[in-house]
Amino acid sequence: AQTVTQSQPEMSVQEAETVTLSCTYDTSENNYYLFWYKQPPSRQMILVIRQEAYKQQNATENRFSVNFQKAAKSFSLKISDSQLGDTAMYFCAFMGPGANSKLTFGKGITLSVRP
Amino acid sequence: DGGITQSPKYLFRKEGQNVTLSCEQNLNHDAMYWYRQDPGQGLRLIYYSQIVNDFQKGDIAEGYSVSREKKESFPLTVTSAQKNPTAFYLCASSRAPGHLPNTEAFFGQGTRLTVV
Repeated sequence: AQTVTQSQPEMSVQEAETVTLSCTYDTSENNYYLFWYKQPPSRQMILVIRQEAYKQQNATENRFSVNFQKAAKSFSLKISDSQLGDTAMYFCAFMGPGANSKLTFGKGITLSVRP
Repeated sequence: DGGITQSPKYLFRKEGQNVTLSCEQNLNHDAMYWYRQDPGQGLRLIYYSQIVNDFQKGDIAEGYSVSREKKESFPLTVTSAQKNPTAFYLCASSRAPGHLPNTEAFFGQGTRLTVV
């Protein structure tokens, strides 16, 4: 079974600085999908970034980028130029390739951006 | 606009009662999911469905039931057998795994269930 581990429950960063959120996962699959979701105080889940395992290039979306290390089964999220609106819970998620694959989430990390 | 809708936003249940949470999507997604969110627990999968008239248990299915009679709808029933049902419930949908790209899940706004 796939598992997703986010070992840091909370982090804090100064506005305009850079922060990295860690995520590791366990799977025997070769092709799969990884995601980072943001959950602000409104509790609406928002996709931040996604990565397909067959792609070697790290995904980037504006200020958000990932460091995908397939051999190490690591998928960290880097937020550059942190903004107050980045304050939220961040969840790492995994989906396998099979027809009956499920979407598995880590426990999440609470990120606070300080003014 | 395409999206996924959960209702109601807040729900109160007396102990011993069954209650059904609604989830509807018009994204033409094959897969649908129900998650429970508790503080410090992240999102835990209750049930998921990849196709109409078929669904699988997730990690915490005990005390819950679902149906998938239509592609657009995936209602969740919280039964009296669920010992601690007070939580925030999230429904999601996605293209079926294996459809590259754009396999990410889209979420509803959630239902807060409280047992009184």
